[in-house]
Amino acid sequence: QSALTQPASVSGSPGQSIAISCTGTSSDVGGYNYVSWYQQHPGKAPKLMIYDVSNRPSGVSNRFSGSKSGNTASLTISGLQAEDEADYYCSSYTSSSTYVFGTGTKVTVL
Amino acid sequence: EVQLLESGGGLVQPGGSLRLSCAASGFTFSSYAMTWVRQAPGKGLEWVSALRSSGDGTYYADSVKGRFTISRDNSKNTLYLQLSGLRVEDTAVYYCAKDYVRSSDSWGQGTLVTVSS
Repeated sequence: QSALTQPASVSGSPGQSIAISCTGTSSDVGGYNYVSWYQQHPGKAPKLMIYDVSNRPSGVSNRFSGSKSGNTASLTISGLQAEDEADYYCSSYTSSSTYVFGTGTKVTVL
Repeated sequence: EVQLLESGGGLVQPGGSLRLSCAASGFTFSSYAMTWVRQAPGKGLEWVSALRSSGDGTYYADSVKGRFTISRDNSKNTLYLQLSGLRVEDTAVYYCAKDYVRSSDSWGQGTLVTVSS
């Protein structure tokens, strides 16, 4: 199972909005509404930010939103803040009853 | 508060074996599927294995199938990952995570496995 494709880096200024893409195939992203997004700060465990494409767990800021079109999912961060600087990973359920992560995106707040 | 505490990592030679444990607390362990995810130094996350709440239904990444075995003891609130036939490329921090609606909503801090001669 090949990793989902994400841009290596995305940057934005405080207050701006950025979007991170996550491209897979019809056997994973495109085939199921089971895409999740994780935030990981250096040396820390990942944190769930979005599940089932667009749902936020309790306690996650509404500045984070998710969507999907075809084989590509996206995470949007609005009102970018310094604390949002981290690595972000998408994940999808697959037709093999397994999961696959994305390649990861480093978000930099300028 | 959900807590997951991994242990059992360490230095092992290629071809060797190791058993990782994940002690869970703060939730009804027997009601949730559990997952192992690993992260090689400086690299991204890699899904490794998952196990249904009842203990039946095991799932593995192709990269570890036939070498790793996931199991759980619901009476001890503990998840395990038996690693055998270890390779240099298995070197990573191994995280256990609690499943939530096709995702993982709680993670441990990880345990480092280093495979080297």
